[in-house]
Amino acid sequence: GQNIDQPTEMTATEGAIVQINCTYQTSGFNGLFWYQQHAGEAPTFLSYNVLDGLEEKGRFSSFLSRSKGYSYLLLKELQMKDSASYLCAVLNSNYQLIWGAGTKLIIKP
Amino acid sequence: DVKVTQSSRYLVKRTGEKVFLECVQDMDHENMFWYRQDPGLGLRLIYFSYDVKMKEKGDIPEGYSVSREKKERFSLILESASTNQTSMYLCASRSGTGESETQYFGPGTRLLVL
Repeated sequence: GQNIDQPTEMTATEGAIVQINCTYQTSGFNGLFWYQQHAGEAPTFLSYNVLDGLEEKGRFSSFLSRSKGYSYLLLKELQMKDSASYLCAVLNSNYQLIWGAGTKLIIKP
Repeated sequence: DVKVTQSSRYLVKRTGEKVFLECVQDMDHENMFWYRQDPGLGLRLIYFSYDVKMKEKGDIPEGYSVSREKKERFSLILESASTNQTSMYLCASRSGTGESETQYFGPGTRLLVL
């Protein structure tokens, strides 16, 4: 089967750094996405990785290792507004998106 | 910017009613999707469409049907609503390859079936 694993919940402190991990097993690979979803709202696109390595976008960075089936999302200088769920999704060989259940990130002052 | 709109943010229906959820996108995307999202289960694909009048079953199509008569509009139909269909319904669209495979979501419809 195909599955995406990510932690259910994480807690971090305002101003700190947090790393959210995602491991995947899918039928083929055409890229990995990270989305942010605030409570009661729709997911919004954060990043896309298709090659190994680190992609940086301001306070957010996303890393991919295809050989290990592993990605992480790194959030720096955490702000209260970063409290949200973070969804990992992999595009498989059929161009279908396989979704993880999401990681709820709680930021404490 | 891509805009995906859904006809309602909140709906309350009774068991057995027929329910229509409408989704419209304004970016000429070929691909459109309907998901439901429940706590702890993540996004689950109900149906998707790669072209007008074309539809494909997703992971959980039972109890649902869809209609795509025009490229910009993708409708989800609950033929006879049941309480286990109480959920958040999200529509999405996408086009192209690579990063263009990014899915853009509508604001969601929170459906309560009594």
